[in-house]
Amino acid sequence: KAGVTQTPRYLIKTRGQQVTLSCSPISGHRSVSWYQQTPGQGLQFLFEYFSETQRNKGNFPGRFSGRQFSNSRSEMNVSTLELGDSALYLCASSFYTGELFFGEGSRLTVL
Amino acid sequence: AQSVTQLDSQVPVFEEAPVELRCNYSSSVSVYLFWYVQYPNQGLQLLLKYLSGSTLVESINGFEAEFNKSQTSFHLRKPSVHISDTAEYFCAVSSLSSGSARQLTFGSGTQLTVLP
Repeated sequence: KAGVTQTPRYLIKTRGQQVTLSCSPISGHRSVSWYQQTPGQGLQFLFEYFSETQRNKGNFPGRFSGRQFSNSRSEMNVSTLELGDSALYLCASSFYTGELFFGEGSRLTVL
Repeated sequence: AQSVTQLDSQVPVFEEAPVELRCNYSSSVSVYLFWYVQYPNQGLQLLLKYLSGSTLVESINGFEAEFNKSQTSFHLRKPSVHISDTAEYFCAVSSLSSGSARQLTFGSGTQLTVLP
């Protein structure tokens, strides 16, 4: 069974640009969550989608948004990038309550 | 609200020695507990989990953790570590309350370094 796939793995953007990250969950998993990992703040929850609906949202500004498609694939978007958005963005999928399976992450560098 | 405290940010240990990585949590409701491991430039891999039942849970590579409800702890132990265990370890908790079961709250991580 293929794991969680995130694309792209690495990307570099400049301040003010926007970025879209993609996540394909494990087949059959309907829940997709996103986390931001930085050295200073650690792992922080961004949002969770289930059956195309956002169920939970972390404490991030509105520049961070996401969506989920009917095939459970998910995208997250960050607009008007700031230097502080440089991070590893992790996607996780879940079949039942509690246990998350993570992808390798998308490492974003904002210059 | 819930929180997780990993008491040690760095744990150096010699190969074949035992190790304990400490984790305490705070929550007003019942929780699920997890340990994840992260190798450099990789995502998080689930090491072991406590959902219900026996309070002692084990992984396939020799790690174990014990859920202690009275002390709100979920410490990770291994009796004999290998060089390949060098990684960062994260303790995480999710509550059983509706709507948040798939939201994990992570500790700040413990870097385990196994020395030859």
